[in-house]
Amino acid sequence: AQSVTQPDIHITVSEGASLELRCNYSYGATPYLFWYVQSPGQGLQLLLKYFSGDTLVQGIKGFEAEFKRSQSSFNLRKPSVHWSDAAEYFCAVGTDNYGQNFVFGPGTRLSVLP
Amino acid sequence: DGGITQSPKYLFRKEGQNVTLSCEQNLNHDAMYWYRQDPGQGLRLIYYSQIVNDFQKGDIAEGYSVSREKKESFPLTVTSAQKNPTAFYLCASSAPGRAWGQYFGPGTRLTVT
Repeated sequence: AQSVTQPDIHITVSEGASLELRCNYSYGATPYLFWYVQSPGQGLQLLLKYFSGDTLVQGIKGFEAEFKRSQSSFNLRKPSVHWSDAAEYFCAVGTDNYGQNFVFGPGTRLSVLP
Repeated sequence: DGGITQSPKYLFRKEGQNVTLSCEQNLNHDAMYWYRQDPGQGLRLIYYSQIVNDFQKGDIAEGYSVSREKKESFPLTVTSAQKNPTAFYLCASSAPGRAWGQYFGPGTRLTVT
């Protein structure tokens, strides 16, 4: 069965530092991959998505992610973190099952130090 | 603007009462979903619906019920059979297939005392 893991439960970085959030997936077919961000008490917002083509995808708020098929990874990066980036980040894979189309990872909570 | 609305934002109920959470979308999406989120945890799928008048149980459907009479609406009822109903509930929708991702509403925080 398909699954998504996010090895880091909680990450703390200083404002202005670079960021990388890890995501690994298990899926037999071509993956459709997504990153979402959730601020406290809010819904999830789509940051970026990968379907095919260029393995480095750009998203909103200055985020990017790189798909590496050989490592089954889709890590999220940002060169310089802002205090407003503090939130929960979820990786997800879109499957081709009719019905339950999406599997979410457990999330990584990002804290930003001033 | 297209989007998903969930109402109310906060909901309080006494134990033993059923309560219905509203979810409406004007994105013309076929599929709709309900998730439960507990503090420090990820999303757990309660129910999903691919088309009107059809819905399927997710991973934690016990104690919940849904209906899908209109494409735009997918209300969730939390029944008195749900042992731990206090949680944050998220509604989402998506276009057909897996390519487009899911769009989420702002969520409803339900507190049962």
